Amino acid sequence: DIVMTQTPLSSPVTLGQPASISCRSSQSLVDSDGNTFLSWLQQRPGQPPRLLIYRVSNRFSGVPDRFSGSGAGTDFTLKISRVEAEDVGVYYCMQATQRPWTFGQGTKVEIK
Amino acid sequence: EVQLVQSGGGLVQPGDSLRLSCVVSGLTFSSRWMTWVRQAPGKGLEWVALMSPDGGQKFYVDSVKGRFIISRDNSKNSLYLQLNSLGAEDTATYYCAKDVERGLDSWGQGVLVTVSS
Repeated sequence: DIVMTQTPLSSPVTLGQPASISCRSSQSLVDSDGNTFLSWLQQRPGQPPRLLIYRVSNRFSGVPDRFSGSGAGTDFTLKISRVEAEDVGVYYCMQATQRPWTFGQGTKVEIK
Repeated sequence: EVQLVQSGGGLVQPGDSLRLSCVVSGLTFSSRWMTWVRQAPGKGLEWVALMSPDGGQKFYVDSVKGRFIISRDNSKNSLYLQLNSLGAEDTATYYCAKDVERGLDSWGQGVLVTVSS
């Protein structure tokens, strides 16, 4: 199984400041067709997860443009350009290149 | 608006069975891959099962193979997860979710399954 490792596990951030979360996979997420199925999800307290980014860098409909995804191969990053109060929650990366699909451990973003 | 409405959770004893349901509206259900994801209390997300639009392809995480069965009824816009031989390690909130380019873009509200004697 592909292991997804996120860092940091906790990220206290000042409102209006940037935040960055790293996600590393134990093997390349590029499939035989050249596709990379790496997505980012946000889970606010008490709510189901919400898709932010799919296929590394595609922002899902309705997601604010302060969220961006980048990376390739085994190393990926989610960036929030200016953290707002509503961004508090746990962020997960997920790979769907190889079954079983696997998630990172989650990164808790909180306001300082 | 896409909606996924779940039902079927509850408290069961070890070894019991349970069936979870997920009714989908607002899209052409019969053309969508669908998944089940679970989250143990206070823990992270775990992918459980995946089904193709026509139901012909099913995939499971190893820990539930032979115990859980994913199914769907496209005439009822419904996805199901049959949970058999439940153990304490299966205690979790179970979510159904819709796949778009292998990102999970719509989620049910989640149902809690508690396995305890």
